[in-house]
Amino acid sequence: QEQLVQSGAEVRKPGASVKVSCKASGYTFTSYYMHWVRQAPGQGLEWMGIIHPSGGGTDYAQKFQGRVTMTRDTSTSTVYMELSSLRSEDTAMYYCARDYCSTTSCYVVNWGQGTLVTVSS
Amino acid sequence: EIVLTQSPVTLSLSPGERATLSCRASQSVSSIYLAWYQQKPGQAPRLLIYGASSRAAGIPDRFSGSGSGTDFTLTISRLEPEDFAVYYCQQTGSSPPYSFGQGTKLEIK
Repeated sequence: QEQLVQSGAEVRKPGASVKVSCKASGYTFTSYYMHWVRQAPGQGLEWMGIIHPSGGGTDYAQKFQGRVTMTRDTSTSTVYMELSSLRSEDTAMYYCARDYCSTTSCYVVNWGQGTLVTVSS
Repeated sequence: EIVLTQSPVTLSLSPGERATLSCRASQSVSSIYLAWYQQKPGQAPRLLIYGASSRAAGIPDRFSGSGSGTDFTLTISRLEPEDFAVYYCQQTGSSPPYSFGQGTKLEIK
């Protein structure tokens, strides 16, 4: 049974950083990209970026360039998303989500449970 | 960057009715890269449709997807009470960013 288990809720002050983890199990960790997606309260889904767990290559949405860093630890099948210089607008639920890609389709096949990050002074 | 625009923003229907949700792309998207997700309050999104028209595992056949190029549609043939939720389209095209539409809220009339 495939699972993506994320770290617990975090509270940070403006200007601080936060690092969210996502531990994968039930599939070959290094074979599939992992997305990070966030959702502010009452708002829609916002794509932040993607990491390939095998080589560690990343692509970030332009909005987050310079503030976000996605990394992985293949020994523990865990990906991380660190967001720096936090502001109140970064208050959101952050999801990791596993990609599946074949010759006929690409899509997000599974999602973590989400990690609530609250930025407040 | 491809922008996805969903319409309507809110759709009010009754159980048993047919729902038609639209997702329009700012430039052509290959059908293999268009997916639909359902999200209920307090839950993570769930994959419904991939490749524009293929149902994900366990998804009832009242859900169907269609479209190509810049215009895609999610249809729910006969609404069940559990179908009232928010629906998102996403494109995972040949290169990032892999944008989402802003969502359509399907509510009970």
